Amino acid sequence: AQSVTQLDSHVSVSEGTPVLLRCNYSSSYSPSLFWYVQHPNKGLQLLLKYTSAATLVKGINGFEAEFKKSETSFHLTKPSAHMSDAAEYFCVVSDPLLPGANNLFFGTGTRLTVIP
Amino acid sequence: DAGVIQSPRHEVTEMGQEVTLRCKPISGHNSLFWYRQTMMRGLELLIYFNNNVPIDDSGMPEDRFSAKMPNASFSTLKIQPSEPRDSAVYFCASSLTPSSNQPQHFGDGTRLSIL
Repeated sequence: AQSVTQLDSHVSVSEGTPVLLRCNYSSSYSPSLFWYVQHPNKGLQLLLKYTSAATLVKGINGFEAEFKKSETSFHLTKPSAHMSDAAEYFCVVSDPLLPGANNLFFGTGTRLTVIP
Repeated sequence: DAGVIQSPRHEVTEMGQEVTLRCKPISGHNSLFWYRQTMMRGLELLIYFNNNVPIDDSGMPEDRFSAKMPNASFSTLKIQPSEPRDSAVYFCASSLTPSSNQPQHFGDGTRLSIL
């Protein structure tokens, strides 16, 4: 069965310091993996996606994530946090063997707080 | 470049009333999804359409919920009669196809409060 685990429900960092949001997944096949960000009163916005190409994926706003199959991880990082990064972040895994849109599995989210 | 457009942004109504949520997907996208987000259950897929045809509605909570997509540029999610437990944020999303490697583009949601 597919699943995704976001290891931290809340992460707090100071502005200008690195960000690490952790995500582990389980998948019986080569999954596609996504990170989405949700700002207050907004919908989810795609940050980046991994679809079996380069294992280090660069996204928008300076974020990147590395697919590590041996660790079944897809952690999201950013070298230097900005106040505008404060939001909820969702790790999403999809299983290509399952039909249709029910192949998407959303993590429970990590709330990132950036301290001035 | 317009994204997914949802209306209304907020809806407050009394229980028992009919509620209709509207969505305009991104032009050219063939797949449309309706989600519900609550603190307790997170993000849940309710139903999705491909080429205007409902493909999977197994996430629709009960018969009070119905969704239609009369054409490629418009979809509705209707709740009749509404109940307080339906209070949530409802998102519409669209993608080029329902393929697993296609990202979904979300609207800003409708915040629904049933009193």
